[in-house]
Formats: sequence, structure tokens, C-alpha cells
Amino acid sequence: ETGVTQTPRHLVMGMTNKKSLKCEQHLGHNAMYWYKQSAKKPLELMFVYSLEERVENNSVPSRFSPECPNSSHLFLHLHTLQPEDSALYLCASSQEFKDTQYFGPGTRLTVL
Amino acid sequence: DQQVKQNSPSLSVQEGRISILNCDYTNSMFDYFLWYKKYPAEGPTFLISISSIKDKNEDGRFTVFLNKSAKHLSLHIVPSQPGDSAVYFCAASLGNEKLTFGTGTRLTIIP
Repeated sequence: ETGVTQTPRHLVMGMTNKKSLKCEQHLGHNAMYWYKQSAKKPLELMFVYSLEERVENNSVPSRFSPECPNSSHLFLHLHTLQPEDSALYLCASSQEFKDTQYFGPGTRLTVL
Repeated sequence: DQQVKQNSPSLSVQEGRISILNCDYTNSMFDYFLWYKKYPAEGPTFLISISSIKDKNEDGRFTVFLNKSAKHLSLHIVPSQPGDSAVYFCAASLGNEKLTFGTGTRLTIIP
């Protein structure tokens, strides 16, 4: 596998479910990001990890919980989501914090 | 406050002609700009970038122009090809800070 991979590609969950999104980068990068893309809105940066430390949390509700166990893996744990959380969730990585980001294919999340 | 704006949500261009995608920004301190291309059901792919010390950067069919006085960035694609149909995002960053993305412009190339 090369680049940035995300699993699952599609996820449908109820509001009471708990699920996790997984991101893995094979590029040797030091920074990883979670973005949310909703229709007709700018990409919203949710979390940034640099060298496995969370460096940014953009006022994201606590029902989204990130985890970065090592520099290659990033998780987004989801619980008690709302229908308005339905969106495309994108993971990205970059060599350093400011560098060009490389994106995964995204997970299309639908909350019923 | 949206610091990076793409005011045209969509654009249609005839195959072979020039596509011009525009982006405006409000923060004059931004020093690095990028364009990303996104196909449906895929993540954005980096296309081309430009530093604020330049006003033009060219890579094959893609050229990015930066007008710092107007706080305006544009991407020119020539000649346009059907495979260029996608959503294009511009992004900007300041120093060591994160990228700020625009809302995207959907480009459709008409055969």
C-alpha cells in the first residue's frame, strides 16, 4: 500500500452507535490531519497531530475523539453522533506541519 | 470569517479551451498557496503550488498566477481535457500554520 489509506470507505451508523475511522499513511510523514467535508462548505480542519502529539483541536464536539498511537496511524472514534455529522471525513498527512498535504480517499459517513 | 474564497461554485469549459479558476484571500500575510483537485469519492490530490515571492508557477498544462496586491490567485489549465473535470480547491497558509481551504469550484469540461 502506498500513500494515505482510509477505512472504511463508507459507514452508516445510528445515533447511539460507536464506531471508529482509521487512517494509515505510508509516506514517513510526521503530521496527520482529520478534515470534515460537508456539501457546499469549505473543508473543515478538525484535528492535527504532529509527531503523535495533538497540536490543534478546532472546537470539535466531544462526540469526535481522535487517537494517534504512532506517526503512521490516526483514528477518529465516533459516538452518539447526530445526523448533521453526516459528511465525508478526510485524513491527510504531510512531512511537517505546513508542508503539502496528501489526502486519503475519505470515509463517507451517514448518521441515521 | 472565510479567509479563502472561491466565488464560482461551478465552471463549464469546452474541451481544448482554457479553464481559469479563481481564488481570493483576505489575509495578506499568507505566504504559500496551493491548488488541489478532487474527483468524486476520492480525497483531494495536490496539483500545483506557489510561494508568495513568486507571481507565476507553471507545470505542464497548469499555471498558477498570484497577484498579491489584489489578494487573488488563479489556476489556468490549457488545453482543457475531459479528465480535468473535477472539483478544484485553493488553499493558503501562513508561516508554519495549517492550510485554509476555499469551498471549491466544480469544473466540467465539455467534449
